[in-house]
Amino acid sequence: DQQVKQNSPSLSVQEGRISILNCDYTNSMFDYFLWYKKYPAEGPTFLISISSIKDKNEDGRFTVFLNKSAKHLSLHIVPSQPGDSAVYFCAASGAGNQFYFGTGTSLTVIP
Amino acid sequence: EPEVTQTPSHQVTQMGQEVILRCVPISNHLYFYWYRQILGQKVEFLVSFYNNEISEKSEIFDDQFSVERPDGSNFTLKIRSTKLEDSAMYFCASRERGGTADTQYFGPGTRLTVL
Repeated sequence: DQQVKQNSPSLSVQEGRISILNCDYTNSMFDYFLWYKKYPAEGPTFLISISSIKDKNEDGRFTVFLNKSAKHLSLHIVPSQPGDSAVYFCAASGAGNQFYFGTGTSLTVIP
Repeated sequence: EPEVTQTPSHQVTQMGQEVILRCVPISNHLYFYWYRQILGQKVEFLVSFYNNEISEKSEIFDDQFSVERPDGSNFTLKIRSTKLEDSAMYFCASRERGGTADTQYFGPGTRLTVL
């Protein structure tokens, strides 16, 4: 049962433009959401998070938006840089300890 | 900056053999996790560990798997009799506190190849 979905396996964006990565979830009990960035042969690195009491969280070039009614969150990267090229996973958690991950979106930022 | 470390980075083993994957979580963290990622697939939760016992486990974490915190710093995942389908990247993670609003920090992973 895929509780967290990232429907776009890949995304290409020109350097300097906005990257928008999307994530949908099915479990209404999820109340904490995170984005992780992953380079090949490395572990996921925490990027940004948002709790369900907020609808936006910003950290530098990264902004996460949460739409609880649509069970949708998105990560905006502005401006995109070549070093942002990586696989981005969204993750969600609820009352338990575990995080549920999406399948990832591979972002390529073209110089 | 404190980080989660894992050894070895790559483990090759024959089917049916036992393997132990090792992790050193961040020192003041209390909650520990193992995840795996089969090539090309999503990161999957295996098990969480707190206060020297398993707090949650997934369907993947069957009797072939066990975890241990033998000495207060290491956190190990043992697979008793490996199968071909156990080939994956295994990630250890830790977090400081329980509750939902807390981030898990991941190690670099161990690539397990079962031949």
